[in-house]
Amino acid sequence: GNSVTQMEGPVTLSEEAFLTINCTYTATGYPSLFWYVQYPGEGLQLLLKATKADDKGSNKGFEATYRKETTSFHLEKGSVQVSDSAVYFCVTRVGGSARQLTFGSGTQLTVLP
Amino acid sequence: GAVVSQHPSRVICKSGTSVKIECRSLDFQATTMFWYRQFPKQSLMLMATSNEGSKATYEQGVEKDKFLINHASLTLSTLTVTSAHPEDSSFYICSALAEAEQYFGPGTRLTVT
Repeated sequence: GNSVTQMEGPVTLSEEAFLTINCTYTATGYPSLFWYVQYPGEGLQLLLKATKADDKGSNKGFEATYRKETTSFHLEKGSVQVSDSAVYFCVTRVGGSARQLTFGSGTQLTVLP
Repeated sequence: GAVVSQHPSRVICKSGTSVKIECRSLDFQATTMFWYRQFPKQSLMLMATSNEGSKATYEQGVEKDKFLINHASLTLSTLTVTSAHPEDSSFYICSALAEAEQYFGPGTRLTVT
């Protein structure tokens, strides 16, 4: 079956620190990979995605590279801001159906000024 | 961007009563909506797929008579937890499908006492 394992939180960083949130997956076939972010009181929002091996997704200073050989999709940001405080979910999708999403457990990030 | 709302954001009810949760797509029409359940520090688990004008499709292990889903219009799906028990306490999240992307609501915290 499909599964997603991501770094357990909570993660607390100072402003301008480097962020890495690890994510590895198991999947049948070739999944598309996503990172979603959930800000307090809001719904999950798509942050970035990659659909094939070696693709790099990027948005708002965040990056993640689809590593097929290590089945990983680690999220990174070079300099976090207080406004990045949120819960981050690593998600896979096998096939074209939006129904076939598999979610990681989420990682709470808190950035202190 | 597409916005999905949920109401209420949190609800407390007594064991044995029923609770209705609403999911609305605010600025778009959605023929398909999804209902998820999230336990603390765990992944989102898909409960059911709600299709406008037809019966919902439930995932294995989800009791359709306990979790009633109605998708009566292109902008509204409801989830009714019937005869609620403390083990039904959880965070319920809906999403709506638009142009092959899912847009998530902010979730509803249900506590059954």
